[in-house]
Amino acid sequence: GDSVTQMEGPVTLSEEAFLTINCTYTATGYPSLFWYVQYPGEGLQLLLKATKADDKGSNKGFEATYRKETTSFHLEKGSVQVSDSAVYFCALSALNDYKLSFGAGTTVTVRA
Amino acid sequence: GAGVSQSPSNKVTEKGKDVELRCDPISGHTALYWYRQSLGQGLEFLIYFQGNSAPDKSGLPSDRFSAERTGGSVSTLTIQRTQQEDSAVYLCASSPGQGSNYGYTFGSGTRLTVV
Repeated sequence: GDSVTQMEGPVTLSEEAFLTINCTYTATGYPSLFWYVQYPGEGLQLLLKATKADDKGSNKGFEATYRKETTSFHLEKGSVQVSDSAVYFCALSALNDYKLSFGAGTTVTVRA
Repeated sequence: GAGVSQSPSNKVTEKGKDVELRCDPISGHTALYWYRQSLGQGLEFLIYFQGNSAPDKSGLPSDRFSAERTGGSVSTLTIQRTQQEDSAVYLCASSPGQGSNYGYTFGSGTRLTVV
């Protein structure tokens, strides 16, 4: 079945450092790919998405590019802030499906 | 309301007792989902409601789990005869239509601890 594998955490960075969280997927066909973020004490929020190969999703300085050839959707941010401390989840769904398959989540802590 | 509301936020129960978890979706959202987040694991799909259609219950882990959605709005997830392995955070989400591309809005979850 469809699945997502993302790098294990926790990840600890200093402010203004570069962040990458790796995500690879296994799916039949061409799934839609998502990154969700969970800030402390809050529910998950959609951070960005990409629905077809070579699409780049972006939001709040974060970017991820849908790479069909490497079945990857790595999340990047060039200069992190303390407020980016959160748990990040990679997820996928089959085309027009309603179910999301989530990775295990990566905890990111940014220190001032 | 402005967001998805879940109650209670925390629940500690004794093994063997029944529990009910409540979800108030965003007004007008036709789709409602329940997921479970166990420690160190990703989110596990439990059940999906869409309008008046029959729910997709394929993710419910056992017949001790059931859910209903009344009037196309509020949903209740019931766990009967709770076991310690049921301890997890139960997340509810809603979206304005069928299909994940609409984007889910999640509630803050109910943390269930079975002792």
